[in-house]
Amino acid sequence: GEDVEQSLFLSVREGDSSVINCTYTDSSSTYLYWYKQEPGAGLQLLTYIFSNMDMKQDQRLTVLLNKKDKHLSLRIADTQTGDSAIYFCAEFSSGTYKYIFGTGTRLKVLA
Amino acid sequence: DVKVTQSSRYLVKRTGEKVFLECVQDMDHENMFWYRQDPGLGLRLIYFSYDVKMKEKGDIPEGYSVSREKKERFSLILESASTNQTSMYLCASSDQGVAADEKLFFGSGTQLSVL
Repeated sequence: GEDVEQSLFLSVREGDSSVINCTYTDSSSTYLYWYKQEPGAGLQLLTYIFSNMDMKQDQRLTVLLNKKDKHLSLRIADTQTGDSAIYFCAEFSSGTYKYIFGTGTRLKVLA
Repeated sequence: DVKVTQSSRYLVKRTGEKVFLECVQDMDHENMFWYRQDPGLGLRLIYFSYDVKMKEKGDIPEGYSVSREKKERFSLILESASTNQTSMYLCASSDQGVAADEKLFFGSGTQLSVL
């Protein structure tokens, strides 16, 4: 069935790199997204990758996609306290025209 | 930048009340969505709309209805609020077309408490 899995929590020290992982099941996914949610707020689109790409870099953010293993990761370099939030992985399939969201990973950055 | 505005950040209602949650987007997007977010369950799709006066059920439509009379506005209606509808409600919109990359843009959410 359709499912997007993420670990629930991640804790890192300020200045270190964070890596948030996600696995998905729909091999027909066209786009994969990373959203950030700060406390009491909606979801903010951070970055996304088209399914025919392996990697995308955007300033401190690096997205890696392994289609064979259906694995997506988000690396945040030089993690800051302002990066503390919940991070959602999501996939979109143009075949079903459906978005599937993961349950979110809560990132805590320790000073 | 796309702006998706939800009319209320916090709402407190009583069981049995009819509740309206309003959402407006300013980028002429065709698609609009209502999700609810609950701890440990992620985002679940309630209803979506691909055009004015069009609506489609999502994964959990029971107890909800929607209205899209104008392109920019998508309303979620709780016909008779119940305590299990206490949740964070998120509205989103997206554009159609190849260049849009199917990106979803979210409002800031409405935290609804039903007592």
